[in-house]
Amino acid sequence: GAVVSQHPSRVICKSGTSVKIECRSLDFQATTMFWYRQFPKQSLMLMATSNEGSKATYEQGVEKDKFLINHASLTLSTLTVTSAHPEDSSFYICSARAGGPQETQYFGPGTRLLVL
Amino acid sequence: GQNIDQPTEMTATEGAIVQINCTYQTSGFNGLFWYQQHAGEAPTFLSYNVLDGLEEKGRFSSFLSRSKGYSYLLLKELQMKDSASYLCAVMDSNYQLIWGAGTKLIIKP
Repeated sequence: GAVVSQHPSRVICKSGTSVKIECRSLDFQATTMFWYRQFPKQSLMLMATSNEGSKATYEQGVEKDKFLINHASLTLSTLTVTSAHPEDSSFYICSARAGGPQETQYFGPGTRLLVL
Repeated sequence: GQNIDQPTEMTATEGAIVQINCTYQTSGFNGLFWYQQHAGEAPTFLSYNVLDGLEEKGRFSSFLSRSKGYSYLLLKELQMKDSASYLCAVMDSNYQLIWGAGTKLIIKP
């Protein structure tokens, strides 16, 4: 149980284009989903927290207009990187949690984004 | 400020035992998590401690002392596939996960 999927697993795009990453909880309803970014050899950095049906809460320094998050259902959240630039190249990982704040977060496999 | 400390890298021998320590200073405490992350992959959940003491799960055990702000992950009968980074994360009073930088564990035959 507690499987989270992400799509795509890898994407290469040109600078200036937008990229959408999907995160799905396959066998449970995720009341909360999280989006992380991880640069090589660094720890996970939380970008935003989203609850189904409400606006995402962004961490300080994360541009909400650049990283659009939609949590339309209890099993799907999307992250759209708008007008991507090479510095946005990173490993983007989502996690999902069922129930309250003390429940475990389960992670998706991650999406590797390369912006040329 | 909030801080999670764990060693950057450790080396151990196949079949041996290794202990990865984590110390933390956070605003409140609502549990401590250990995750395993293989290179190029997302983290996978290993353990959760919220009360003091040792939690054993197969070859892996996790210990917590809240008064000391200290936890360790103990890996027994090491296998080559255990080569990975091990991330310590503490849930603070706002139920936010504060992440350590991870300990890269290298297993040698």
